[in-house]
Amino acid sequence: QKEVEQDPGPLSVPEGAIVSLNCTYSNSAFQYFMWYRQYSRKGPELLMYTYSSGNKEDGRFTAQVDKSSKYISLFIRDSQPSDSATYLCAMSVVPGNQFYFGTGTSLTVIP
Amino acid sequence: KAGVTQTPRYLIKTRGQQVTLSCSPISGHRSVSWYQQTPGQGLQFLFEYFSETQRNKGNFPGRFSGRQFSNSRSEMNVSTLELGDSALYLCASSPGQGFTEAFFGQGTRLTVV
Repeated sequence: QKEVEQDPGPLSVPEGAIVSLNCTYSNSAFQYFMWYRQYSRKGPELLMYTYSSGNKEDGRFTAQVDKSSKYISLFIRDSQPSDSATYLCAMSVVPGNQFYFGTGTSLTVIP
Repeated sequence: KAGVTQTPRYLIKTRGQQVTLSCSPISGHRSVSWYQQTPGQGLQFLFEYFSETQRNKGNFPGRFSGRQFSNSRSEMNVSTLELGDSALYLCASSPGQGFTEAFFGQGTRLTVV
């Protein structure tokens, strides 16, 4: 079993829809949680990061962490065609760069 | 502020050869990590360097090695290339102390034939 599981999609939604992306994990020691966006032929771009459980909002993006369920989510409101990309969740146990990534969810927002 | 720079962007090598990839982190960042990205496995952690010392290592064979220089630039080397080493190799840069975001470069696309 992989430490981080993520539905690969693909996910296709109309412009303006609310998008929900999710990851589950098995290691209860994970404390730091991140979401990255990756466009084709580009490196991952950090969208949001959170520590421990709770919600964090940044513009159209909201990240949620439920450590009791080992479940994290990213919500995108008023989705735009420019949001079309692969979304990767990542997490780590301690501060530092040893992140464990999900395999990514491919999202297409249709105009 | 310049981002993370990886060179070269694309490489084609023959099985059995070796390859060296380079990463220049964001100015002032002291931590550099390397990841391998493949369609089937996603991003997998290779190793992390901080102030010229390897601080963490992932579960890859010894053919994969790296180093970091005093200016924080890092190189990754893969010896005796195998077809399965074909992947996008990504470098991530961060200040290195405490929890901080990691910023990725564009990656080096390695194809082994």
